Amino acid sequence: DAGVIQSPRHEVTEMGQEVTLRCKPISGHDYLFWYRQTMMRGLELLIYFNNNVPIDDSGMPEDRFSAKMPNASFSTLKIQPSEPRDSAVYFCASRYTGEQYFGPGTRLTVT
Amino acid sequence: EDQVTQSPEALRLQEGESSSLNCSYTVSGLRGLFWYRQDPGKGPEFLFTLYSAGEEKEKERLKATLTKKESFLHITAPKPEDSATYLCAATSGGYNKLIFGAGTRLAVHP
Repeated sequence: DAGVIQSPRHEVTEMGQEVTLRCKPISGHDYLFWYRQTMMRGLELLIYFNNNVPIDDSGMPEDRFSAKMPNASFSTLKIQPSEPRDSAVYFCASRYTGEQYFGPGTRLTVT
Repeated sequence: EDQVTQSPEALRLQEGESSSLNCSYTVSGLRGLFWYRQDPGKGPEFLFTLYSAGEEKEKERLKATLTKKESFLHITAPKPEDSATYLCAATSGGYNKLIFGAGTRLAVHP
């Protein structure tokens, strides 16, 4: 299996622009997670889905952040409008039982 | 409040010099304690899951152990390729809401 796939790997955008991050989970995994990693706050869970349904979005920092999972093989995390403090590495992870498997991440820089 | 604390923040070892990384947790009703390895520019890579105090798991030069309050990742005779950040995470309410520690940056020098 190719593992969790994320795109783009790097994104540089200007403040106020819309940013969309994409994730393809491992085939057969029914849970999908979005995390954010920063030096100050470490790795934080933003939201997770089970069978394409959002279960817990309590980690989403603001209404500017939204996530969707239209089918079992695709999810998006959208930030609109983006701000410099959103600069971070965003990871997608998936699992079936037990441990979560992470993608390579998207490094977002908002200038 | 559930919390995971790792120490030391950074560790420098000579090749072959064994050591241990610590992960202390305060989680009510621990369901699982996870160890991950993260290389620069990459996502965390799963290493071990421990479920109950007294449990031990091994993989090559790594051995993870668990007590009621902490977990240790023992590294025996490390090699430069073991250099990475090691993250631990705990969960209480299932395997979905992992609480990660800040990690230990390990550097192994030849």
